[in-house]
Amino acid sequence: EAQVTQNPRYLITVTGKKLTVTCSQNMNHEYMSWYRQDPGLGLRQIYYSMNVEVTDKGDVPEGYKVSRKEKRNFPLILESPSPNQTSLYFCASSSGRMGQHSNQPQHFGDGTRLSIL
Amino acid sequence: SQQGEEDPQALSIQEGENATMNCSYKTSINNLQWYRQNSGRGLVHLILIRSNEREKHSGRLRVTLDTSKKSSSLLITASRAADTASYFCARALGSGNTGKLIFGQGTTLQVKP
Repeated sequence: EAQVTQNPRYLITVTGKKLTVTCSQNMNHEYMSWYRQDPGLGLRQIYYSMNVEVTDKGDVPEGYKVSRKEKRNFPLILESPSPNQTSLYFCASSSGRMGQHSNQPQHFGDGTRLSIL
Repeated sequence: SQQGEEDPQALSIQEGENATMNCSYKTSINNLQWYRQNSGRGLVHLILIRSNEREKHSGRLRVTLDTSKKSSSLLITASRAADTASYFCARALGSGNTGKLIFGQGTTLQVKP
């Protein structure tokens, strides 16, 4: 089954304790992206990657890091989490050659709910 | 702001009725996409309509796009309780092609059995 898998689905942690949210897709998609969803603010893009070893900032990249060492994986790293990063996080992927990513629908994972105390 | 407006914010209807949700935006677009989000789940792609298209259908879904008015609408016909969800429009911007989608705030639809 074609899917985007995020782990963990839920996490409660404390300020400053490094954490990684994993994202894996089995559709051989070049494009992957991370969003956060907050009440009243909708979904906002954190980082995206057009291909392996190619990543770029989205609208709200502060406090986050990503890496794209393999095509299927796109982990989101919070080096020193803070309470304002408490949110619902979504990973997404889409097909399309370079320059055509916007013309393709995005496939989303089921989300990771992070609570940072 | 690149974000647009969706209205209504919330909509409650009876099963069998039609539901219409609207999306307006401010900047030029490459395409506009509609997604559904069930409570506690990820977003599911429904329809993509390109800037040179005016109308698109998928089952009970009908999407229209008016680029002169910078607006789009999603019509769900003969609604079912299972259609209860939040619906989002997302714009793929016209300039560049980073794959970035700009999401609206969404419309929460409740379909009562």
